[in-house]
Amino acid sequence: KAGVTQTPRYLIKTRGQQVTLSCSPISGHRSVSWYQQTPGQGLQFLFEYFSETQRNKGNFPGRFSGRQFSNSRSEMNVSTLELGDSALYLCASSLGWGQGSYEQYFGPGTRLTVT
Amino acid sequence: AQKITQTQPGMFVQEKEAVTLDCTYDTSDPSYGLFWYKQPSSGEMIFLIYQGSYDQQNATEGRYSLNFQKARKSANLVISASQLGDSAMYFCAMREDAGGTSYGKLTFGQGTILTVHP
Repeated sequence: KAGVTQTPRYLIKTRGQQVTLSCSPISGHRSVSWYQQTPGQGLQFLFEYFSETQRNKGNFPGRFSGRQFSNSRSEMNVSTLELGDSALYLCASSLGWGQGSYEQYFGPGTRLTVT
Repeated sequence: AQKITQTQPGMFVQEKEAVTLDCTYDTSDPSYGLFWYKQPSSGEMIFLIYQGSYDQQNATEGRYSLNFQKARKSANLVISASQLGDSAMYFCAMREDAGGTSYGKLTFGQGTILTVHP
């Protein structure tokens, strides 16, 4: 079974631009969560999607948004990029609500650099 | 207040020896889960082990076991027979049920860097 895939793996953007990151969960998994990892703040939860609905949101500004498609693939978007948005963005997939399993499996991440 | 505390920024262990990585947590939710992940220098987070708050027995997965002490709110990871490939950052994480409203939200500790010496 293929694991979680994230594209692109590396990205360099300029301040003020916007970026879209993509995550394809493990086949059969319906829940996708996004995390931001930085040396200073560590791993922080961004948001979680299940059945195309945002179920939870972390403490991030509105510039960070996401969505989930009917095939469970998810995208996150960051608008008006700031230098502090430079981070490793990790996506995790799991079976989903009511499925009796809470194990989350992470993708390789997208490393975003904002210059 | 920190929900997940990993007090060991770095740990060293000799190959083939066992090592314990500490994790304490803080929650008032009676239903929660605890995870351990390994993050090598490549950046990918590798799921190691999971323990639910209502699980009666400590979780084990191969060389990994979770020493769950509910009253002390600790969930230490024990790696037996360390291998050179175990050198990585290890994260403890918690999922709080929040009355069934929080499924996929994990709170992570700051991590412990484990170095295995030959």
